[in-house]
Amino acid sequence: DTEVTQTPKHLVMGMTNKKSLKCEQHMGHRAMYWYKQKAKKPPELMFVYSYEKLSINESVPSRFSPECPNSSLLNLHLHALQPEDSALYLCASSDSSRPLAGGTDTQYFGPGTRLTVL
Amino acid sequence: SQQGEEDPQALSIQEGENATMNCSYKTSINNLQWYRQNSGRGLVHLILIRSNEREKHSGRLRVTLDTSKKSSSLLITASRAADTASYFCATSNSGGYQKVTFGTGTKLQVIP
Repeated sequence: DTEVTQTPKHLVMGMTNKKSLKCEQHMGHRAMYWYKQKAKKPPELMFVYSYEKLSINESVPSRFSPECPNSSLLNLHLHALQPEDSALYLCASSDSSRPLAGGTDTQYFGPGTRLTVL
Repeated sequence: SQQGEEDPQALSIQEGENATMNCSYKTSINNLQWYRQNSGRGLVHLILIRSNEREKHSGRLRVTLDTSKKSSSLLITASRAADTASYFCATSNSGGYQKVTFGTGTKLQVIP
């Protein structure tokens, strides 16, 4: 199974709402990622979890709060977002084996959550 | 920023023709990958080439890497309408193999 699933597919929220995005993979990957993608732009890395610990935070505002409850699940909690946060949010996972051990950075992406902030 | 630049930004070809897109990057890399993204959806990994490789093939895809010029190219032969998508190169550097940085992308349209 090489699938990464994301829910919901679409989300509309107001600036005072609290919502969560969910991501799940069953490939045994120990690295999971959140990306933000604006229209006609490349994905921008937000967070990386490695072995369920946050290893990279790309200076993301605190209104985005990631959580990795276990090795298969990744959440992104949203609170007090701004209209400019509207984007496609992509989750990905990869084999976290080190390159010298034969691992690669190949990432498997979910279909994304299209977020609109009103 | 290590972000790669891709050109052309957009490419329109007839079905059956070959499509070539180029990627240039700024810093030393561990490997370079190409991904495809259909409109508004997730990315699909196409091919990975390591920094010590110069050329790689996968089906109708051919990737080259020139580390001296910090550039890569993706060739899609005998294109099909289903190849219509955006294509991104992605690099990871020696210092942080989990941190993959995507290029600006090439939007390919294959006309039936």
